[in-house]
Amino acid sequence: GAVVSQHPSWVICKSGTSVKIECRSLDFQATTMFWYRQFPKQSLMLMATSNEGSKATYEQGVEKDKFLINHASLTLSTLTVTSAHPEDSSFYICSARPPAPRGTGELFFGEGSRLTVL
Amino acid sequence: AQRVTQPEKLLSVFKGAPVELKCNYSYSGSPELFWYVQYSRQRLQLLLRHISRESIKGFTADLNKGETSFHLKKPFAQEEDSAMYYCALSGPSGAGGYQKVTFGTGTKLQVIP
Repeated sequence: GAVVSQHPSWVICKSGTSVKIECRSLDFQATTMFWYRQFPKQSLMLMATSNEGSKATYEQGVEKDKFLINHASLTLSTLTVTSAHPEDSSFYICSARPPAPRGTGELFFGEGSRLTVL
Repeated sequence: AQRVTQPEKLLSVFKGAPVELKCNYSYSGSPELFWYVQYSRQRLQLLLRHISRESIKGFTADLNKGETSFHLKKPFAQEEDSAMYYCALSGPSGAGGYQKVTFGTGTKLQVIP
């Protein structure tokens, strides 16, 4: 299968600071990546779709200025949580699909990044 | 709008007992349905998809368009099946590329030895 990697796996920051999370597709090019947020014992909530070379598409209710997404290359998307607050503490997961013909619609997930805001 | 419903947050069964994880969906069209699994301390991974009609680790799932369901079944549960299971729906892939994937709330399967 394809490989998607996230970094860092966990991060602790002070309230008011910004945190950047990277998502890389290691063995395929991804024009689109997806960012999810997972609350404890709850489902994955799609936050935004990251598009290479263009603006991200945010889901309803997700603050664009709070969660900045940059998809600067075909293998890297970044999520920056700006002016983080304790309520932003969560598990953030990225995913991507290899393009056709290799891809069959299956999503490959990163290992996730746990953010704790003090 | 697309929606996926998994009514059970937790399902506990004894080893060797049959398992059925329920999933219902709402989608105006022909969706692609998936089951993803997350074992303890591992990342999410695909278990199976309705298109392939295959059995993975003894699990099967049949798409019932009349009931808009995609229940996951296994005749005999094993301890290693204990995990979090997510049903997911995507619009059909086409010339426009892949559609976004919507996940259900997940069901934790606990297999009791």
